[in-house]
Amino acid sequence: DSGVTQTPKHLITATGQRVTLRCSPRSGDLSVYWYQQSLDQGLQFLIQYYNGEERAKGNILERFSAQQFPDLHSELNLSSLELGDSALYFCASSVVEDSPLHFGNGTRLTVT
Amino acid sequence: GQQVMQIPQYQHVQEGEDFTTYCNSSTTLSNIQWYKQRPGGHPVFLIQLVKSGEVKKQKRLTFQFGEAKKNSSLHITATQTTDVGTYFCAGPYSTLTFGKGTMLLVSP
Repeated sequence: DSGVTQTPKHLITATGQRVTLRCSPRSGDLSVYWYQQSLDQGLQFLIQYYNGEERAKGNILERFSAQQFPDLHSELNLSSLELGDSALYFCASSVVEDSPLHFGNGTRLTVT
Repeated sequence: GQQVMQIPQYQHVQEGEDFTTYCNSSTTLSNIQWYKQRPGGHPVFLIQLVKSGEVKKQKRLTFQFGEAKKNSSLHITATQTTDVGTYFCAGPYSTLTFGKGTMLLVSP
């Protein structure tokens, strides 16, 4: 058990809809990362937060947004969903930036 | 953008054979990390290399960081079926960026 909790585990929704993925980092970790994993794309970095502030942004679509709350949990919001958004979304946390990441079990999103 | 290139993408070996995956960066890295993802699982941190020329061992796994701190390798001696999974290297650019991984399949 990595100590990182992601909910829900699975999500099935229709195109055009909006969903929210939630992540609770490991106790004591200040940095939260979101990654998207599709079959052929490896782990694509989306966004990183450190102690509530956005620190880095990857190729995150404008339809996607995220935030880290004062209690350090994070949410990833995906809107106007398209079929191509179907993927496994991982949250990871670390004590400080660039230190080893601890991944959650992921949320598998299926857009139909 | 900055990235780490990883080869091969895929390797299928017989149990007992050795396996090596390579990671190359276009720029010097302050450190490099390795992760393993089992089928259906999440990436799990294996090791972090920091020093130029560093070599670290974990049982049958040997990790190396190049002298120029631009490349790294992971070598598994005498693979076992439990080694099956995808091995990723990751480097800290603007944020921790993962290579595309090497998928290892081991046949008994």
